[in-house]
Amino acid sequence: GAGVSQTPSNKVTEKGKYVELRCDPISGHTALYWYRQSLGQGPEFLIYFQGTGAADDSGLPNDRFFAVRPEGSVSTLKIQRTERGDSAVYLCASSLLAQNEQFFGPGTRLTVL
Amino acid sequence: GENVEQHPSTLSVQEGDSAVIKCTYSDSASNYFPWYKQELGKRPQLIIDIRSNVGEKKDQRIAVTLNKTAKHFSLHITETQPEDSAVYFCAASMGNSGYALNFGKGTSLLVTP
Repeated sequence: GAGVSQTPSNKVTEKGKYVELRCDPISGHTALYWYRQSLGQGPEFLIYFQGTGAADDSGLPNDRFFAVRPEGSVSTLKIQRTERGDSAVYLCASSLLAQNEQFFGPGTRLTVL
Repeated sequence: GENVEQHPSTLSVQEGDSAVIKCTYSDSASNYFPWYKQELGKRPQLIIDIRSNVGEKKDQRIAVTLNKTAKHFSLHITETQPEDSAVYFCAASMGNSGYALNFGKGTSLLVTP
């Protein structure tokens, strides 16, 4: 079956621009997570959705970051006024229920020039 | 915030030898501890996980041990093969966020023939 997919695979933008990153979880998975991974580091938690609601957004670094999951399936991570420090691979993961294995997508590599 | 420490950062073993990677965590509410393998440019893949009600779990050449009192857990790979070469991440669930994960910084394992 189809795994977690993310689009785009690569995104290059200029400092100050707005970007949207999309995640399509595995069908039927209720829990969805966003992480970001910098070079040589482990994934860093950003936000967790249970259904349509953000159950925990404590990992979002500041108010330039926002994420939605309006129908409890696809999620979009939105970054306003991008900064060079936002450059990283943004990973999405989903699980059937919150306590189950998290399956990761291939990530979106964001480069802010 | 809560964090996960992982050691060593790099590990080189000869084919057929064993490899051990150790992690400690600080969140006493953590109750789920997965290990992920990430090959260069690829997504993290779960290789084994353990929950807090179990002290040890084994799956063929891979085993994980957990000491909740000491807040540490370890990954053991026996009879290593060159295809085991990758970066391995330990993670611990965040006690106040369902199963969102705090990751270690990773161990780069190289298995030489």
